[in-house]
Amino acid sequence: AQKVTQAQTEISVVEKEDVTLDCVYETRDTTYYLFWYKQPPSGELVFLIRRNSFDEQNEISGRYSWNFQKSTSSFNFTITASQVVDSAVYFCALANTGNQFYFGTGTSLTVIP
Amino acid sequence: GAGVSQSPRYKVAKRGQDVALRCDPISGHVSLFWYQQALGQGPEFLTYFQNEAQLDKSGLPSDRFFAERPEGSVSTLKIQRTQQEDSAVYLCASSLAGTSGTDTQYFGPGTRLTVL
Repeated sequence: AQKVTQAQTEISVVEKEDVTLDCVYETRDTTYYLFWYKQPPSGELVFLIRRNSFDEQNEISGRYSWNFQKSTSSFNFTITASQVVDSAVYFCALANTGNQFYFGTGTSLTVIP
Repeated sequence: GAGVSQSPRYKVAKRGQDVALRCDPISGHVSLFWYQQALGQGPEFLTYFQNEAQLDKSGLPSDRFFAERPEGSVSTLKIQRTQQEDSAVYLCASSLAGTSGTDTQYFGPGTRLTVL
């Protein structure tokens, strides 16, 4: 069974603070893909990153960074020096070589100015 | 616009009415997906097309839900005899090739359906 858990339902931080959004996944597949999407109030899911199960190298993109650890089945997302524009719901998703994405329940991030 | 578009953005229906939701995928994208997102939840898979072929409809909640993509481009999700539990945001996504696990899905803005 495929499952994604985002235990943090809501997070509030003050602008310029760093924040980490947790994602834990379950799968029996050896080949799988992990994603993060941002859903601003407008509703459209915006793609942020994709990792495959064979690439555990962490990635940094500007203020965003991702920590993929197969040993703990986690794919955490950190925003450095948060900004008000980062306020959104963030979803972690898991896909195998089939045709379905499995989404977590999302973490609602509010950045307070 | 190069992204996925959906129409209408908002739809209010009386219980028992039929509704049709449209999705225009990114040009050239082979695969198209429909998801249902309830309030406060993550998107849940409904169905998947590769070109005009519907390869997976395991997520459709009942036989009142029907999707088609007759020419392998635009897709329509139809809900017959709508019920209040059908109220949700319906998201469409497309990806370049035929296997979702290897290709990123790009999402449209969704259609918010409210059934009264």
